[in-house]
Amino acid sequence: GAVVSQHPSRVICKSGTSVKIECRSLDFQATTMFWYRQFPKKSLMLMATSNEGSKATYEQGVEKDKFLINHASLTLSTLTVTSAHPEDSSFYICSVVGTSGSEQYFGPGTRLTVT
Amino acid sequence: EDKVVQSPLSLVVHEGDTVTLNCSYEVTNFRSLLWYKQEKKAPTFLFMLTSSGIEKKSGRLSSILDKKELSSILNITATQTGDSAIYLCAVEAGGGAQKLVFGQGTRLTINP
Repeated sequence: GAVVSQHPSRVICKSGTSVKIECRSLDFQATTMFWYRQFPKKSLMLMATSNEGSKATYEQGVEKDKFLINHASLTLSTLTVTSAHPEDSSFYICSVVGTSGSEQYFGPGTRLTVT
Repeated sequence: EDKVVQSPLSLVVHEGDTVTLNCSYEVTNFRSLLWYKQEKKAPTFLFMLTSSGIEKKSGRLSSILDKKELSSILNITATQTGDSAIYLCAVEAGGGAQKLVFGQGTRLTINP
């Protein structure tokens, strides 16, 4: 399977500031990465599909101006939560599609707490 | 709207018991169904099922897909405390790029 890393693993920020989360595919080139959000005791919800070299595709209800996604290389996608609010506190997870083309492999996740 | 429903939402059993977790789905353009195990961090991949009736097996875990019933089960035999986790079912659907729709998960607790 694919090896995916995320940085940071945990971040606490003040309301109104911006936070950048990195997702790296360590062992193969990922043209597509996905960003999910998971609230406590809830399942994963897809936020957006990150495509290398082009604009991300956002799911309904996800504000593209608030959650900025940049997929500038085949191994790195970044999610920036702009002007964070306490309700943005969540577990953010990225994933890449495996070499077989179907199964997704997840990064370890980033826990964001906005105070 | 694509939907994936898992049952039960929570299950507590004793070590050594066998458990069966259920997943049903209603999606357009079904492509595959995947099972994940989530402990404290991100989910880890267990199985991917695309064909009906073919059991996938890995140690004490096995899973099978029934496309006629739009469902899948995940079986765990001779459970161990290390099997305690949330088990997530996800369906890849639609014509786009491998988008997954997740169920709510089943929280499995194995007591010694």
